[in-house]
Amino acid sequence: AQKVTQAQTEISVVEKEDVTLDCVYETRDTTYYLFWYKQPPSGELVFLIRRNSFDEQNEISGRYSWNFQKSTSSFNFTITASQVVDSAVYFCALSEASGNQFYFGTGTSLTVIP
Amino acid sequence: GAVVSQHPSWVICKSGTSVKIECRSLDFQATTMFWYRQFPKQSLMLMATSNEGSKATYEQGVEKDKFLINHASLTLSTLTVTSAHPEDSSFYICSARSWGADGYTFGSGTRLTVV
Repeated sequence: AQKVTQAQTEISVVEKEDVTLDCVYETRDTTYYLFWYKQPPSGELVFLIRRNSFDEQNEISGRYSWNFQKSTSSFNFTITASQVVDSAVYFCALSEASGNQFYFGTGTSLTVIP
Repeated sequence: GAVVSQHPSWVICKSGTSVKIECRSLDFQATTMFWYRQFPKQSLMLMATSNEGSKATYEQGVEKDKFLINHASLTLSTLTVTSAHPEDSSFYICSARSWGADGYTFGSGTRLTVV
């Protein structure tokens, strides 16, 4: 069963628009971690955020914000006032306390048009 | 912060040859490293878990004789793609448990092209 679902394959927005990337996850563990990574065309993974399952507080970091809702098993990521440099593929990932590996979503390719 | 150095960043090889990719943890000891493969426009899929001093654990469908993993020290894990074929062309990336903010540190990846 797929652990992490990113239903949006590709999104295009015009610069300065806000955009939300959706992430829905599935796990039976009560302790788990959720992540967002940015992958620019160069390929490296840039860590954006980690959230543990006991911390449902939303977080804001500059233009980035994250909405974690256990009730709907979602961990959505919003970019406010998008910029061209935000163009990349964004991955949501899950790590369960019972295991070592990551389960990556299929990624959302974001294109910000100037 | 915790750094994993991955080399080479890109490599082109002829079909039938072998290619070795290295991942080194520079400022921490990595008892466990993970190897992922990413085909174009697809997600990262775990290939194997590499444990220092023991045999790697491969995910279902990954040929262990083709993708040789060696984790001989606490700071170095290598992935060797043996008898490479064009279908092995992919982006390979390693990661290790670390004390970084995300608990894991990823290498910068290796883009392999087999011609």
